[in-house]
Amino acid sequence: GAVVSQHPSRVICKSGTSVKIECRSLDFQATTMFWYRQFPKQSLMLMATSNEGSKATYEQGVEKDKFLINHASLTLSTLTVTSAHPEDSSFYICSAIGTPNQPQHFGDGTRLSIL
Amino acid sequence: GQQLNQSPQSMFIQEGEDVSMNCTSSSIFNTWLWYKQDPGEGPVLLIALYKAGELTSNGRLTAQFGITRKDSFLNISASIPSDVGIYFCAGQDSNYQLIWGAGTKLIIKP
Repeated sequence: GAVVSQHPSRVICKSGTSVKIECRSLDFQATTMFWYRQFPKQSLMLMATSNEGSKATYEQGVEKDKFLINHASLTLSTLTVTSAHPEDSSFYICSAIGTPNQPQHFGDGTRLSIL
Repeated sequence: GQQLNQSPQSMFIQEGEDVSMNCTSSSIFNTWLWYKQDPGEGPVLLIALYKAGELTSNGRLTAQFGITRKDSFLNISASIPSDVGIYFCAGQDSNYQLIWGAGTKLIIKP
């Protein structure tokens, strides 16, 4: 149980393109989803927390107009990197929890490469 | 930001050896988690700890939550090649956000 699916697994696109990443909880309803960014050889850095039906809460230093998060249903959250540039290239990972105090379960990540 | 103190940073071991890693924190957590991350993939939950002093096993893995709720260790017995990867500890705060350790990279000598 507690499977989180993330799509796509890899994206390569030109600078200026907007990229959408999907995160789905497959066998549970995710009341809260989290979006992370991970740089090489580092632990995960939280970007934002999203609750179904409400606006995402962004961490300090994360541009909300750059990284648009939508959590329209209890099983789907999306992260859109708008007008992506090479410095946005990174590994983006989502996670989800269902009931309170449940551990976060992670998707397999999306490797974003902006040329 | 806040980060847990995780050690060692890396381990080079022979197949079959036992492994031990630990994390400490200046803050108390109600939940302590251990994850493993393989290259190019998301972290996979290994063990979740909820009670102070709790000792939990998952196959060859054993983890304990410290009595003070400020530390935890993870042991792996009789390591095998598929144990290679990066192990992260994480404390879950009251907002269900995770405070991460820096990771322990496990390498098994051929």
